[in-house]
Amino acid sequence: KAGVTQTPRYLIKTRGQQVTLSCSPISGHRSVSWYQQTPGQGLQFLFEYFSETQRNKGNFPGRFSGRQFSNSRSEMNVSTLELGDSALYLCASSLGTSQSYNEQFFGPGTRLTVL
Amino acid sequence: AQSVTQPDIHITVSEGASLELRCNYSYGATPYLFWYVQSPGQGLQLLLKYFSGDTLVQGIKGFEAEFKRSQSSFNLRKPSVHWSDAAEYFCAVRGTGKLIFGQGTTLQVKP
Repeated sequence: KAGVTQTPRYLIKTRGQQVTLSCSPISGHRSVSWYQQTPGQGLQFLFEYFSETQRNKGNFPGRFSGRQFSNSRSEMNVSTLELGDSALYLCASSLGTSQSYNEQFFGPGTRLTVL
Repeated sequence: AQSVTQPDIHITVSEGASLELRCNYSYGATPYLFWYVQSPGQGLQLLLKYFSGDTLVQGIKGFEAEFKRSQSSFNLRKPSVHWSDAAEYFCAVRGTGKLIFGQGTTLQVKP
């Protein structure tokens, strides 16, 4: 069974631009969560989607948004990029929501650099 | 507040030596705890998890962890470290709708 895939793996943008990252979960998984990883703040939760509905959201500004499609694939969008948005963005999938006993499987991440 | 603390930012051990990575959590109810490992440029791989039952849990790659409620700890151990274990290790607790991670411990293995 294929793991979680994220595209693109690397991305370079300039301040003010917007970016869309994509995540394909493991087949059969209905939940997708997004995390931001930076050296200073570590791993921080962005949001969780289950069956096309946002179930939970972290403490990030409204510039960060996401969605989930009927095939469970998910995208996250960051508008008006700032230098501080440079990070590794990780996607994780699981069978159920984070409130279930199911573990989360992580993808390799998308490395976003904002210049 | 729910939180996870990994007191050691960086640890160096010799190959073949034993390893213990510390993790302390703050959580009001019964915690669901995880250890993940991240190699450079990679995502997170689950080593082991604790939901309930036996407080000593076995994971992949020869790792184990012990849940101690009285100490609010979930330390990761390995009896003999291999050079390929060099990576960053994250302890996490399942919070409300998300995983809450510690800051991570970087493991360096000396030949």
